[in-house]
Amino acid sequence: RKEVEQDPGPFNVPEGATVAFNCTYSNSASQSFFWYRQDCRKEPKLLMSVYSSGNEDGRFTAQLNRASQYISLLIRDSKLSDSATYLCVVNPTGTASKLTFGTGTRLQVTL
Amino acid sequence: DVKVTQSSRYLVKRTGEKVFLECVQDMDHENMFWYRQDPGLGLRLIYFSYDVKMKEKGDIPEGYSVSREKKERFSLILESASTNQTSMYLCASSLERGPPQETQYFGPGTRLLVL
Repeated sequence: RKEVEQDPGPFNVPEGATVAFNCTYSNSASQSFFWYRQDCRKEPKLLMSVYSSGNEDGRFTAQLNRASQYISLLIRDSKLSDSATYLCVVNPTGTASKLTFGTGTRLQVTL
Repeated sequence: DVKVTQSSRYLVKRTGEKVFLECVQDMDHENMFWYRQDPGLGLRLIYFSYDVKMKEKGDIPEGYSVSREKKERFSLILESASTNQTSMYLCASSLERGPPQETQYFGPGTRLLVL
């Protein structure tokens, strides 16, 4: 089983739609969780950290479910500029700085 | 803003050549990382370093070595390039170990083609 698993997509949604991605992780001791965004042929960039209580940043909401070992990302009112690959990222040890990256979920927002 | 720079955006080398990929960060970060990214496989950690002159193997270190002589610079070396090392190479840095300072900042990447 992969340490971090994501549906590769693509998710094709119209502008204005709400879309959600899930990601599962295998190590129950994992402490830190993130969503990164990667545009085509660019480097990954931090979108948001995921806290136990869940967190929101504008149109983006991240949730953590420790019991089921998954994290989610919800994007409301999708924009064309949201088209990208979204990487689920986990720190499996909590003490070191090594991060484990999922292979990403591709989102395509269309007119 | 954190800035991570990589010496080349595109590189073409021949099989058997020695290849140096340089990465520099300007934010006094302790930790630096080298990844490769391939379609369907995502980012895979090659080597990382927590401090000057320190290095640790990642998940796929075979065929690679690294050097960290100065805090801001982390070099990836392909001793004898092979075609299966054709990939996108990404360097990253982070401030400290452990949350919440472990966010990694990436350089723009080097696309390496080995012929």
